[in-house]
Amino acid sequence: NFMLTQPRSVSESPGKTVTISCTRSSGGIATNYVQWFQQRPGSPPTTVIYEDNQRPSGVPDRFSGSIDTSSNSASLSISGLRTEDEADYYCQSYDSSNPHWVFGGGTKLTVL
Amino acid sequence: EVQLVESGGARVQPGGSLTLSCAASGFTFRTHGMSWVRQAPGKGLEWVSFVDTTTSLIFYADSVKGRFTISRDNAKSSLYLQMNNLKPEDTAVYYCVRDPYNSGTLGVLDYWGQGTLVTVSS
Repeated sequence: NFMLTQPRSVSESPGKTVTISCTRSSGGIATNYVQWFQQRPGSPPTTVIYEDNQRPSGVPDRFSGSIDTSSNSASLSISGLRTEDEADYYCQSYDSSNPHWVFGGGTKLTVL
Repeated sequence: EVQLVESGGARVQPGGSLTLSCAASGFTFRTHGMSWVRQAPGKGLEWVSFVDTTTSLIFYADSVKGRFTISRDNAKSSLYLQMNNLKPEDTAVYYCVRDPYNSGTLGVLDYWGQGTLVTVSS
């Protein structure tokens, strides 16, 4: 089994760009797709990125996803930060060797 | 519009049982794998269980294996989670989550329900 490690919190100013990392502990990050979910307080998670870098319809192009095999990590970047982007963000992938869906611990984004 | 509506959450005593339901609409339920994911109060997300379209592939997290049973009724577009021998650490909001594919082998999750709260306490 592998783990996904995220920073506990990040903060940035409105209008800036922030990047949240998600590092896989073992096995290649490119082995299985990575998804990113946004969860605002009191609401269920919603998908902002799926299959590493795909954006669902309705998600602004300020959100982008990527993977980096050299650091074995995935990243979620949000540009032109708005106060409404303030939320918890979770990465998720899949352990195909022992079928389990794996979540990162979540990153609290503060926009101030 | 895809909709997933969970129900059945309640307060139960340790050792008790509960069955959660998820009513799906807005998509062809029988062609999608489905998962349950939970979130303890103030904590992160934890995958619980998955079932494919025909119930031939079923997986559980180690924390619930042997106590929880996932099932589905494609005719009713519904997903279920039977929970037995509940423990205080099972206290969480339980979400019904769709897989955009049928077998779960890509491990992708897309649409989430609003969740239903299960509290295990004496």
